[in-house]
Amino acid sequence: DIQMTQSPSSLSASVGDRVTITCRASQSISSYLNWYQQKPGKAPKLLIYAASSLQSGVPSRFSGSGSGTDFTLTISSLQPEDFATYYCQQSYSTPRVTFGQGTRLEIK
Amino acid sequence: QVQLVESGGGLVKPGGSLRLSCAASGFTFSDYYMSWIRQAPGKGLEWVSYISSSGSTIYYADSVKGRFTISRDNAKNSLYLQMNSLRAEDTAVYYCASAVAGWDAFDIWGQGTMVTVSS
Repeated sequence: DIQMTQSPSSLSASVGDRVTITCRASQSISSYLNWYQQKPGKAPKLLIYAASSLQSGVPSRFSGSGSGTDFTLTISSLQPEDFATYYCQQSYSTPRVTFGQGTRLEIK
Repeated sequence: QVQLVESGGGLVKPGGSLRLSCAASGFTFSDYYMSWIRQAPGKGLEWVSYISSSGSTIYYADSVKGRFTISRDNAKNSLYLQMNSLRAEDTAVYYCASAVAGWDAFDIWGQGTMVTVSS
């Protein structure tokens, strides 16, 4: 299985901050990398697909980059509604997809 | 609107069985593969099972292989997960999900149904 490792596991930041979350794959996955946001008690929500494509309806302050094994999710200016847990997911080995362990973004 | 709604979760004893259902609406269900993904309390996301659009191709995670059975009824726009020989470590919220928009990214999720395995 392809292992996905996110860093950091948790992060404290303030409204207006620029935040970057990193995801590393255990082998090259080209651009088959997706990012999700999950709030407590809710299903995950797709933010970014194919490493850098913004899902319809997602604010432009979210962006993704990377290819191969190293990827980043950037939030350019944190808003109060962005405090949540973020997951990366590789779809290179579909249907046996795997997720990162998650990054919890908290208010400082 | 595009929607997935799970049902069938609950409390079951170790070794017991449960059948989850997922009702789809707002999109052509029979055109898309479906997956079950679970999340143990306070933990991350784990892919559980996959079924192709026609139902002819099926995959399972090693953790559930031989105990869980995925199926679908395209005439009823419904997905199922039969779970047998349940263990405490199967306790989780179970989501059905679909990658309608492409790129194998799950853009449609149900609200989840909780399965608790405890004596």
